[in-house]
Amino acid sequence: LAKTTQPISMDSYEGQEVNITCSHNNIATNDYITWYQQFPSQGPRFIIQGYKTKVTNEVASLFIPADRKSSTLSLPRVSLSDTAVYYCLVGRPTSGAGSYQLTFGKGTKLSVIP
Amino acid sequence: KAGVTQTPRYLIKTRGQQVTLSCSPISGHRSVSWYQQTPGQGLQFLFEYFSETQRNKGNFPGRFSGRQFSNSRSEMNVSTLELGDSALYLCASSSTGAGFMFGETQYFGPGTRLLVL
Repeated sequence: LAKTTQPISMDSYEGQEVNITCSHNNIATNDYITWYQQFPSQGPRFIIQGYKTKVTNEVASLFIPADRKSSTLSLPRVSLSDTAVYYCLVGRPTSGAGSYQLTFGKGTKLSVIP
Repeated sequence: KAGVTQTPRYLIKTRGQQVTLSCSPISGHRSVSWYQQTPGQGLQFLFEYFSETQRNKGNFPGRFSGRQFSNSRSEMNVSTLELGDSALYLCASSSTGAGFMFGETQYFGPGTRLLVL
């Protein structure tokens, strides 16, 4: 299984860009990287997913270098409502249709300061 | 569209008992996954059901089991409860369950918080 490591916590001021990096040194060729956001008392919410290079959607960007041993979630101009825990997930397809293994990071608690 | 619902939302049990949790996926979704979340271990994948068959399984003991019905609703059962089973149990649904490979979004329910005394 892939092992993921991410910072336990980060602080940022409103309006700043926040970058959260996840390390996954033993990522395999077919593994995908997904990031989730979780607010207290709620289930995780999908933010973005990528395989390599850069992916951007309306809420975030995901940067994955060529060696894919890390990934960086970038949140532009954060607001107070972005205060949450952010999880990195590595999904590994295995044999059999629709089969996979999942490894979650322990989560990064982002606190946005006014 | 109604979201993923889980019942009950809160549960208190004692060691040695068993518990059954229920999850109703979004209408039309055929894949249901279960996760355990604790402060110490974070989010951990339990298993995934698709079309009434367990298709994927995490690294949990056999005390944790589940099933899925023909209407895609799923139940999770934990037998012989231990103190360490106290956690938030999350259920997620998706259309095909291929989200982790092909970018399909998984939708999570609010969870069932289980306390084992």
